[in-house]
Order: sequence, then C-alpha cells, then structure tokens
Amino acid sequence: DSGVTQTPKHLITATGQRVTLRCSPRSGDLSVYWYQQSLDQGLQFLIQYYNGEERAKGNILERFSAQQFPDLHSELNLSSLELGDSALYFCASSDGLARDTQYFGPGTRLTVL
Amino acid sequence: LAKTTQPISMDSYEGQEVNITCSHNNIATNDYITWYQQFPSQGPRFIIQGYKTKVTNEVASLFIPADRKSSTLSLPRVSLSDTAVYYCLVGRMDSSYKLIFGSGTRLLVRP
Repeated sequence: DSGVTQTPKHLITATGQRVTLRCSPRSGDLSVYWYQQSLDQGLQFLIQYYNGEERAKGNILERFSAQQFPDLHSELNLSSLELGDSALYFCASSDGLARDTQYFGPGTRLTVL
Repeated sequence: LAKTTQPISMDSYEGQEVNITCSHNNIATNDYITWYQQFPSQGPRFIIQGYKTKVTNEVASLFIPADRKSSTLSLPRVSLSDTAVYYCLVGRMDSSYKLIFGSGTRLLVRP
C-alpha cells in the first residue's frame, strides 16, 4: 500500500459526459502528479501540482483540468469525454524535495462508452 | 530528459538472477537513474535509484558504470511474483520533475 488513495476505482460513462477523479496523497506529501495509461500510449504524464499550485504540465488535453485543494487532495476533471479517453488514470505523490520518488495510487479505470 | 532504451521483454525461471540493462547515452550530469516496477492494473512502484557505482536495497541492485551511459537492474533469485513491467527512467529529480516512462521491459518468470 503506497498510502495514496484514489476514488472511484472504476468509472463507466458515456461520450460527451464529464467526470471527476479524486486523489488523496500520502500524509505530508506536497506534490501530486496525474498520469494516464492507455494500451496504445503507455504511461503519460499529465500535470503536477505542488502545494496547491500548478508546477508542470505534460500532454494534458484542454478538455482536462486539475486542481489541488488546501488539504492537498487533488481532483482531475475530464469533460466532453471521447472513446479514446478510456484509460487507467494514476495519481502519484511525493514530498516535492530534490531526488524524491513518486508513490502511485491504485488508479481509476475510466471506460467511456 | 535523456532517452532510454531497454529490452521489450525477458524470460526467466524462478530462482534465477535477472539483469535488465537500460541504455541512456545522453544522460546529463545532474540526472539520476530510477527504476519502477508495474504489475497489471496497478500503479508503478519505485524499486531503486542511483547516480553512480552500485546501489543495493532489500529488493534489487543497480549497477552504473563510470560513464553512466547505461545501468543494470539486478533482481536476485526471482519468483513468479516478480513477473511485471520494469521501467528505467533518467532525469533530474527536482520539485517539478515529471516521470517520463518508456515502453519498459516485460519480465516473465516461469516456474
């Protein structure tokens, strides 16, 4: 158990809908990262927040957004969903210091029908 | 971030030592080398990290030659539960560091 929690575990929705994925980092970790893993793209970095502020952006679509709240939990919002958004979405956390390692949550499996 | 190259797949048998080599010819002076393990439908798990020479922990060893253009993850006496994908990552570890995963090496451990 990495100490990172993600909800929900599974999500099934239809094209055009909007969903919110939630992540609670390990206690004391200030950084939260979001990754998408699909069969054809592998693990892709989406976005990072550090202590409430956006720190780095990866291949995140404009239809996707995220935020980190004062209690350090984070939400990833996915809107206007397309079939291709079906994937595993992982959240990871770290203490944000140099040479840190990232601890991954169990993921949310999103299926868009 | 330095590009990494590692074998797509490897087969082994229980009890054997497995060595997975990763090439990173363009590694920069400030870059560290990190290995992650991922089981199906689970998040990646940190295994080991190093900068140079050899690092050992309770799970694995990491060998890094002096030129640092490659590294080798060594798993002693593998078991069936070590069947997973292993990712080699190279890059600076700062507060804005984003992990760039390649294709990884699929290790299959047979009985």
